[in-house]
Amino acid sequence: DAKTTQPPSMDCAEGRAANLPCNHSTISGNEYVYWYRQIHSQGPQYIIHGLKNNETNEMASLIITEDRKSSTLILPHATLRDTAVYYCIVPNTNAGKSTFGDGTTLTVKP
Amino acid sequence: KAGVTQTPRYLIKTRGQQVTLSCSPISGHRSVSWYQQTPGQGLQFLFEYFSETQRNKGNFPGRFSGRQFSNSRSEMNVSTLELGDSALYLCASSLASSGGAINYEQYFGPGTRLTVT
Repeated sequence: DAKTTQPPSMDCAEGRAANLPCNHSTISGNEYVYWYRQIHSQGPQYIIHGLKNNETNEMASLIITEDRKSSTLILPHATLRDTAVYYCIVPNTNAGKSTFGDGTTLTVKP
Repeated sequence: KAGVTQTPRYLIKTRGQQVTLSCSPISGHRSVSWYQQTPGQGLQFLFEYFSETQRNKGNFPGRFSGRQFSNSRSEMNVSTLELGDSALYLCASSLASSGGAINYEQYFGPGTRLTVT
């Protein structure tokens, strides 16, 4: 798997956009970027994934840089319930041995 | 549609014993992956099953094994338990992807919290 680097923690004010960065400079041309989050004591929750085009769904937007070496997950209007650990992974689907790394702990504050 | 279910949710075992954990995937999902999560090592991939066959395996000793049934339900077994096996064991299911690769749009269950004493 391509190595990913994320800041260990971030804060965000409730109602504001949360922008979570991820560096994946060793990504290969056919590898996707996936984002998950894990709320305390629950299983991880799939959020979104992308290859090179920006993606948006009901939960978030994913912005991938043109060189694909980094991406940003955007939660447009963060709520207290968005407080969680956010994982960015770039699994090599052929190897099938993805690990999730340490992720970013996002704390949304009132 | 019902989510991924795992049983039991909590388990306490003694060193040397063996344990079997169960996972029922989302209806229609044929790929089931297992992960171990510990505070020190984070979330680590154990193995993945598709159509009753183990397709991918992580770096865990042979004490960790699994199987998948024809209805896609899966079990994992840990034999000769060690204190370090205490962890949250997570199961994730996904739709099949082409070419035998794991589809990482995975949906996780709540996990089984295993404590080894």
